[in-house]
Amino acid sequence: QVQLVQSGAEVKKPGASVKVACKTSGYIFTSYGMSWVRQAPGQGLEWMGWISTYRGDAHYSPKMQDRLTFTTDTSTTTVYMELHNLQSDDTAFYFCARARYSGHDSLLFWGQGTLVTVSS
Amino acid sequence: EIVLTQSPGTLSLSPGERATLSCRASESVIGNFLAWYQQKPGQAPRLLISGASTRAAGISDRFSGSGSGTDFTLTINGLETEDYAVYYCQQFGASPFTFGPGTKVDIK
Repeated sequence: QVQLVQSGAEVKKPGASVKVACKTSGYIFTSYGMSWVRQAPGQGLEWMGWISTYRGDAHYSPKMQDRLTFTTDTSTTTVYMELHNLQSDDTAFYFCARARYSGHDSLLFWGQGTLVTVSS
Repeated sequence: EIVLTQSPGTLSLSPGERATLSCRASESVIGNFLAWYQQKPGQAPRLLISGASTRAAGISDRFSGSGSGTDFTLTINGLETEDYAVYYCQQFGASPFTFGPGTKVDIK
């Protein structure tokens, strides 16, 4: 069965970077891209972007594209999200999510979420 | 970017009632590529509806989606206790694939 297992919670200081891992299993890794969605505590969902696990190219939300990097490791079927120059309003749960079908589609499979706390 | 507006912000209903949730887009959603998700506290979102009207696998037929262009609706017939949650719409027709702010359905 499809599983997305994310790395554990992180606490970072303002200005630092964080890298969250999303380990996948149960499907052909390079057949589906991966999206990242974040959710500040008590707030709504925010789409961050998407990476093709086949080609490695990424599409980022304009709001975060200057600070955001997605990468993949085909050997371990893991996708990474790295956010730089963290600020307090980056405190949120970060989710990886895979679409139903290859290409851009609704998000059927979700990781459990990783809480990133930014605090001095 | 396409801005999605959901209404109402909160819907207070009794079990057994029908819930009607609206999602309006600032411009036409390409291909009616619109999805609905349910989220409960402490959980990841769960896909309910894709392509505006197609239920995801395993989703009860109490949930139905309709609409096209800029106006979309999620209907929940015969609310059950497990349906009390926050519901989000998302368009995936044009990047960035924005979400609406959500509608909370709570118990009256």
